[in-house]
Amino acid sequence: NAGVTQTPKFQVLKTGQSMTLQCAQDMNHEYMSWYRQDPGMGLRLIHYSVGAGITDQGEVPNGYNVSRSTTEDFPLRLLSAAPSQTSVYFCASWGGGPIDTQYFGPGTRLTVL
Amino acid sequence: EDQVTQSPEALRLQEGESSSLNCSYTVSGLRGLFWYRQDPGKGPEFLFTLYSAGEEKEKERLKATLTKKESFLHITAPKPEDSATYLCAVQGSTDSWGKLQFGAGTQVVVTP
Repeated sequence: NAGVTQTPKFQVLKTGQSMTLQCAQDMNHEYMSWYRQDPGMGLRLIHYSVGAGITDQGEVPNGYNVSRSTTEDFPLRLLSAAPSQTSVYFCASWGGGPIDTQYFGPGTRLTVL
Repeated sequence: EDQVTQSPEALRLQEGESSSLNCSYTVSGLRGLFWYRQDPGKGPEFLFTLYSAGEEKEKERLKATLTKKESFLHITAPKPEDSATYLCAVQGSTDSWGKLQFGAGTQVVVTP
């Protein structure tokens, strides 16, 4: 199993550009989520999904869109990038209930100029 | 709202010098407290889940304990490969599914 994979690993954008961060898992997990990690602030939840076709907002959803058309994939879209979105983004998946172990991907480091 | 505070922010240890990391939390009804290890440039790697006060879990040189207000991660006789950032997270009973509240982490450096 590859686990949770994310692409790209690094990305530089200009303000106003849009892009999609890809996340895929091969563990047949129902639940997936996106976090951002900023220095001194810990990981913060952006959006999450409890199954194909079902998504919900986390703590910091503004400026981001998600969709979940398949169990395996959970892309994160930046609609119009802003410097405040410069961060490291992590995708996670888990298979059980709300307190099951979450498995994280390797991350995407995004810089918005 | 859930709050998690980790201390110290950074810890420098000599190889073999045991120490403890602290995770203080405020949550409305604890569903679970999680410890993760994160190496530079990588995603968090799961270590432990604790569910109720008094619970303890061990893995190699690491031991996690839980009280009603805090958790400790004890590192016994650390080795340089234990160098990493250790993250604590909680989920409360009123939290939506998948929402973990993370602390900022403790960066541990173990020197030979």
